Amino acid sequence: QVQLVQSGSELREPGASVKVSCKASEYTFINHAMGWVRQAPGQGLEWMGWINTNTGNPRYAQGFTGRFVFSLDTSVSTAFLQINTLKSEDTAIYYCARKRNDGAFDIWGQGTMVTVSS
Amino acid sequence: QSALTQPASVSGSPGQSITISCPGTSSDVGSFNLVSWYQQHPGKAPKLMISEVSKRPSGVSNRFSGSKSGNTASLTISGLQAEDEADYYCCSYAGSSTWVFGGGTKLTVL
Repeated sequence: QVQLVQSGSELREPGASVKVSCKASEYTFINHAMGWVRQAPGQGLEWMGWINTNTGNPRYAQGFTGRFVFSLDTSVSTAFLQINTLKSEDTAIYYCARKRNDGAFDIWGQGTMVTVSS
Repeated sequence: QSALTQPASVSGSPGQSITISCPGTSSDVGSFNLVSWYQQHPGKAPKLMISEVSKRPSGVSNRFSGSKSGNTASLTISGLQAEDEADYYCCSYAGSSTWVFGGGTKLTVL
């Protein structure tokens, strides 16, 4: 069935980097953009931005520019989120979600927990 | 872009109807019919319940309905069931290829 499978939990020290993967299956990857959503512990959903899977052009939300990088490997239908110079406040679950043209996120990955701690 | 201001919590008894509001502005909810709603149970990924203000995806119960008036979108759940207890989030297009989520509403079924 159509699904997004994300990489496993990560533990990093402050200042390090992390790269989360999101592999799509059972649909044509380049036909749908991919969005990224953050959920800090006990908090709500926060829209991080999205990447056009056809052109590779990313769009970042305010607050997610600079240290956050969206990328793709279309040969394996996979989207990536890299976070550089990690801070403790980056501790959160990160979700990838398939974005439709109407903006709705109709398929979600299971989430990847990133913990930043020394 | 500030988060849309949803009520922190709502509650209702089984069988009753509840409505969750999603007040936005003329720059987001009020300007576009691109509001979606998501249900999230604890420890689970969100699930799309409503798109484009009032469209229900295949497989979503017809007890869930969406609407919009002016700058405020709403999600109504009728015939409340225990399984509806979850967090609910609205999300709206905010122009310039950006989107914004609401802060989330915790629904308690009494």
